[in-house]
Amino acid sequence: EAQVTQNPRYLITVTGKKLTVTCSQNMNHEYMSWYRQDPGLGLRQIYYSMNVEVTDKGDVPEGYKVSRKEKRNFPLILESPSPNQTSLYFCASSPGGQGSKPQHFGDGTRLSIL
Amino acid sequence: QKEVEQDPGPLSVPEGAIVSLNCTYSNSAFQYFMWYRQYSRKGPELLMYTYSSGNKEDGRFTAQVDKSSKYISLFIRDSQPSDSATYLCAMRTDQAGTALIFGKGTTLSVSS
Repeated sequence: EAQVTQNPRYLITVTGKKLTVTCSQNMNHEYMSWYRQDPGLGLRQIYYSMNVEVTDKGDVPEGYKVSRKEKRNFPLILESPSPNQTSLYFCASSPGGQGSKPQHFGDGTRLSIL
Repeated sequence: QKEVEQDPGPLSVPEGAIVSLNCTYSNSAFQYFMWYRQYSRKGPELLMYTYSSGNKEDGRFTAQVDKSSKYISLFIRDSQPSDSATYLCAMRTDQAGTALIFGKGTTLSVSS
């Protein structure tokens, strides 16, 4: 089954404690991205990757890091989480380097930073 | 002016009604237009995907793009309670690496 898998699905943690949200896709997609979804603000792109070892900033990259060492994985790293990073996070992937094809989304990771 | 505007609703209709969901946008370079459906506690799933202007039909769903007016629509015929969800429009240019820009979503409730 084609899917984008995120882990964990839910996490409550404290300010400053480094955390990583993993994302894995089994569709051999080149393009992967991370979004956060907040009430009243909609989905906003954090980072994206057009292929292995190629990453770039989206609209709201501050406070986040990513890496793309393998095609299937695109982890999101919060080095020093803060309460304003409390949000619902989605990973997405699509075929093609331009990302113009529709994106497949994971089921989300709800992060609460206390 | 925000790049993509979408009325958040909520929109409540009886079962069997025709539903019209809309988005307006300001960037004339947008070429790809999508509608996603998002159920509570789930990720968005693609409903319709169109390139440039025109209509596209898939079962009970019809997507329309009017680039001259910078306006896109999603019509749902014979709406069902299972259509109750948040509907997100999304669009992007054809330039490599540019972000997919989402509307804030319209919450739809279909009552039986």
